Amino acid sequence: NAGVTQTPKFQVLKTGQSMTLQCAQDMNHEYMSWYRQDPGMGLRLIHYSVGAGITDQGEVPNGYNVSRSTTEDFPLRLLSAAPSQTSVYFCASSYRQWDYEQYFGPGTRLTVT
Amino acid sequence: KQEVTQIPAALSVPEGENLVLNCSFTDSAIYNLQWFRQDPGKGLTSLLLIQSSQREQTSGRLNASLDKSSGRSTLYIAASQPGDSATYLCAVTDMEYGNKLVFGAGTILRVKS
Repeated sequence: NAGVTQTPKFQVLKTGQSMTLQCAQDMNHEYMSWYRQDPGMGLRLIHYSVGAGITDQGEVPNGYNVSRSTTEDFPLRLLSAAPSQTSVYFCASSYRQWDYEQYFGPGTRLTVT
Repeated sequence: KQEVTQIPAALSVPEGENLVLNCSFTDSAIYNLQWFRQDPGKGLTSLLLIQSSQREQTSGRLNASLDKSSGRSTLYIAASQPGDSATYLCAVTDMEYGNKLVFGAGTILRVKS
């Protein structure tokens, strides 16, 4: 198994541009989520999904959209990038909600100028 | 609101020493607690998952304990090695937002050879 994969590894955007961060898992996990990691703020939940076709907001959802058309993929869209979205983004997955170990991808380092 | 605190913030030890990392959380209503390791510029690697009904988990030289009623967990690393140098993150699965992980700020560990 490749586990949780993310692309790209690095990205530089200009303010106002849009882009999609890709996340895929090959473990047949129902639950997937996106976090951002910022110095002094730790990791914060952006959006999550409990299964294909079901998504919900986390604690910092503004400026981001998600969709879950398949079990494997959970892309994160930045609608109009802002410097405040400069961060490292991690995708995570687990077999189901609640009681299962969560696995993280290698991250995407995004800089918005 | 759940808050997770990790002590110490940084630790430097000689190779071979046994060490303890501490984690505390404010709300005992958790599903589980997970310890992660993060190397610089990398993703999070899951080390141990302790369910809320369990007291401890062991994996190789690592042992994690959980005292849910007092809101505490410890990660014990036996016979530390330079390869153990990394940031160790403690996270609890909060009952809000589905399966949200609430992270501590981490302990930066350096094992000197």
